[in-house]
This record gives sequence, structure tokens and C-alpha cells, in this order.
Amino acid sequence: GQNIDQPTEMTATEGAIVQINCTYQTSGFNGLFWYQQHAGEAPTFLSYNVLDGLEEKGRFSSFLSRSKGYSYLLLKELQMKDSASYLCAVRRSGTYKYIFGTGTRLKVLA
Amino acid sequence: DTAVSQTPKYLVTQMGNDKSIKCEQNLGHDTMYWYKQDSKKFLKIMFSYNNKELIINETVPNRFSPKSPDKAHLNLHINSLELGDSAVYFCASSQGTSGRNEQYFGPGTRLTVT
Repeated sequence: GQNIDQPTEMTATEGAIVQINCTYQTSGFNGLFWYQQHAGEAPTFLSYNVLDGLEEKGRFSSFLSRSKGYSYLLLKELQMKDSASYLCAVRRSGTYKYIFGTGTRLKVLA
Repeated sequence: DTAVSQTPKYLVTQMGNDKSIKCEQNLGHDTMYWYKQDSKKFLKIMFSYNNKELIINETVPNRFSPKSPDKAHLNLHINSLELGDSAVYFCASSQGTSGRNEQYFGPGTRLTVT
């Protein structure tokens, strides 16, 4: 089967650090993606992991552990504009199919 | 220039009608997708085409029929619309199946069936 779990909502303060977790169970794995989606807008790509470890890109970092079926997105120096939904997606191996989690709605407070 | 565009952006129609949504990408990608995002914001794959060939056809009512006239276009036709079809429909495109190859999403079409 295939299942992706993320917390539904998180709240953090401007300037803080927040970690959004994602656990997955899929039949075949070929990469994990994080997308950001502001209300009323399209998802936009943030990060990609296919090997274990941390990928850093500016204020955003993403971590993957394939053996644990676990990833997290780390957002540093939070800004008000980071208030959005963050979607974890797994690409199944041998297919073009991406399975999305239900997303985590992050609220950044002043 | 818009990378992935969809028309219309909003669509309000009555139950039983037939409607189409169009999608175009100018990124030169070989794969295009249709997703449905419901009121709980869950993004679910419906169809995918690679080089005009249907490669993903999820459990979707056969009232939904995709069509890809060429690699840059993917349309979605919906017959006999039902209340439960109300959602935001996103088109996306990507290149290949290996490596990063992230998906680029269109702005979405908000469909409301009354």
C-alpha cells in the first residue's frame, strides 16, 4: 500500500525554526519532494531528496531517511510569508506517479 | 511567460452539464498530469500523459476523459457534472522520471457545481 502522514497544522513565531515531519509507506521509492502552497495558489517546488541525508537550500533544508520512511522540512528564520501549506510527496519507482500527503498548514505569528 | 497555464481559472456550472478544462505548458516537458484538490486540500493524481500516451489512469469515474493532442497540451473533459466534482483541478508537467524532475503546477481551475 501507500500512505503519507504529516501533521495537519503547526504554528510558529516569526524568526523561529520549525520542523515539519513526513512519514511514508510506499511500494517502491524514487525520491521525496516538498512543495509549498499558499492559499489559493498552485504548489511550488521546494526540495528533493533521493539519498539519505540533509539537503540545504537557503533558509530551507530537507532530510531523508529511507530505512525509516521519514523526512522532514526545516524552515529557519521564519518569515510571515512562510505561512502556507507544505506538501510532502513521494515518487514511486518505475512510474511517473507522485503520491502527496495531505499537507501541513503552517501559521507564522508575529 | 507563464510556464503552465490553465483555462478557465473559475468555472461555475450546474449539475448534469458537460465542461472542459484546458492546460498548456511551454517548458518542453514530456509528461503532464491532472490532479484534483478537494476541500481538505488533499492533492490526488487523476491522469498522466507521457509523450501523448496515457500512463496513469487512477480510479476516476469514466465521466472524466483526458485528451493530449500534443506534448504541450492536456485537456480534461467532464461529462454529467455532479456536486462532488466541485474542487480545484491542477494541471502539472515534468520532464522524465529520474533525478529531480519536479512538477510545475498550473494556477488551478476552481470548479463549482451547483
